[in-house]
Amino acid sequence: EVRLVESGGDVVQPGGSLRLSCATSGFNFRAHYLGWVRQAPGKGLEWLGRIRNKANGDITDYAASAEGRFTISRDDSENSLYLHMSSLTTEDSAVYYCGRVFKSQYVDFWGQGTQVTVSS
Amino acid sequence: QSVLTQPPSVSTAPGQKVTISCSGGNSNVGNNFVSWYQQLPGTAPKFLIYDNDKRPSGIPDRFSGSKSGTSATLAITGLQTGDEADYYCAAWDSNLGAVVFGGGTKVTVL
Repeated sequence: EVRLVESGGDVVQPGGSLRLSCATSGFNFRAHYLGWVRQAPGKGLEWLGRIRNKANGDITDYAASAEGRFTISRDDSENSLYLHMSSLTTEDSAVYYCGRVFKSQYVDFWGQGTQVTVSS
Repeated sequence: QSVLTQPPSVSTAPGQKVTISCSGGNSNVGNNFVSWYQQLPGTAPKFLIYDNDKRPSGIPDRFSGSKSGTSATLAITGLQTGDEADYYCAAWDSNLGAVVFGGGTKVTVL
């Protein structure tokens, strides 16, 4: 069974940083691209970015809203995905989902999400 | 403001058919594949349709997708109360270099 479990969500002050983790199991982690999507309260889904597999250079691609402030990384030895966020604003408050990426752009399996609240 | 445009809500009676439109442009829907996701209340999204009209394993054939030009459509036949959810379309945007989502459509079974 494919499983993804996010952790690390918290309440953080504006301007602060946070690292989210995504532990995975049930599939060949190192073969897949992985990504992050977020959903602000009462709003729709927003793609943040993806990281390719090692065979494709572990290259990262980011949405404009994430570029420069967010960093996606992976640890193939731990089957884990990470999202490091900095210079957070209240606009970054959302549920953050990690996902397995299929055919470069589809999220075919999702985690349950982790809540990030940016507030003073 | 989402890059892809969907109606905010649609509703119909149980057993009927509902369609959800998704409108974009040449940089996304017009020249790239479209996917659809279902999000039941309080849960993570679920992968529903990919490559415009393909269903992942386990998705019933009551759900179907199509695309024409810069618009795509999700159809749900034999609507059930368990289909009440938000539905999102998505596509790769060649100009932005990222996946873009529609704003979501809430389906209500009357």
